[in-house]
Amino acid sequence: DTEVTQTPKHLVMGMTNKKSLKCEQHMGHRAMYWYKQKAKKPPELMFVYSYEKLSINESVPSRFSPECPNSSLLNLHLHALQPEDSALYLCASSQELATYEQYFGPGTRLTVT
Amino acid sequence: AQKITQTQPGMFVQEKEAVTLDCTYDTSDPSYGLFWYKQPSSGEMIFLIYQGSYDQQNATEGRYSLNFQKARKSANLVISASQLGDSAMYFCAMREGGKLGAQKLVFGQGTRLTINP
Repeated sequence: DTEVTQTPKHLVMGMTNKKSLKCEQHMGHRAMYWYKQKAKKPPELMFVYSYEKLSINESVPSRFSPECPNSSLLNLHLHALQPEDSALYLCASSQELATYEQYFGPGTRLTVT
Repeated sequence: AQKITQTQPGMFVQEKEAVTLDCTYDTSDPSYGLFWYKQPSSGEMIFLIYQGSYDQQNATEGRYSLNFQKARKSANLVISASQLGDSAMYFCAMREGGKLGAQKLVFGQGTRLTINP
């Protein structure tokens, strides 16, 4: 089973709202990733977790707060977002940090109004 | 400088024809990996094929093959006998070696492939 699930599929939030994106995998992978993808652009790495510890933060604004409560679950907490944060947010996982492929979830389409 | 370059923003191909999607890369690291992903309009990134820098043979996965020319720093994706379901955005990506580089997947700008019946 090479499935990464993400909820919700779509999210519309105001600039004063607090919301969370959820990502889950049951493949026993120990590395998990958050990417942001704007329309007609490639995905851009935001955060990397390895063994539930934050390994990379690509200078992401603090209004995005990642959390890895266990090895199967990755959250992205959102607060005081801007309209330019509207994008597709993709979660991915891999066996280990430097293993071959990353498996991606279907993404959450976020619209900030 | 861009690490991954995909020079074809869009391609149109007749069904059942073979198609080659171009990808060139730039790295001074001797250890790296090259990937191709497919992204349909639904948004999910689907892993297609992987080539390691030390692999002697070109990677193949079903109808997908990777034409790896190390000296030219190119890693073109070849899709044989294209199908309507192959219509999607295709991304070439690279992971470099080293403690930091190995954690990052860097993507090209993508090529939108349209298969015509």
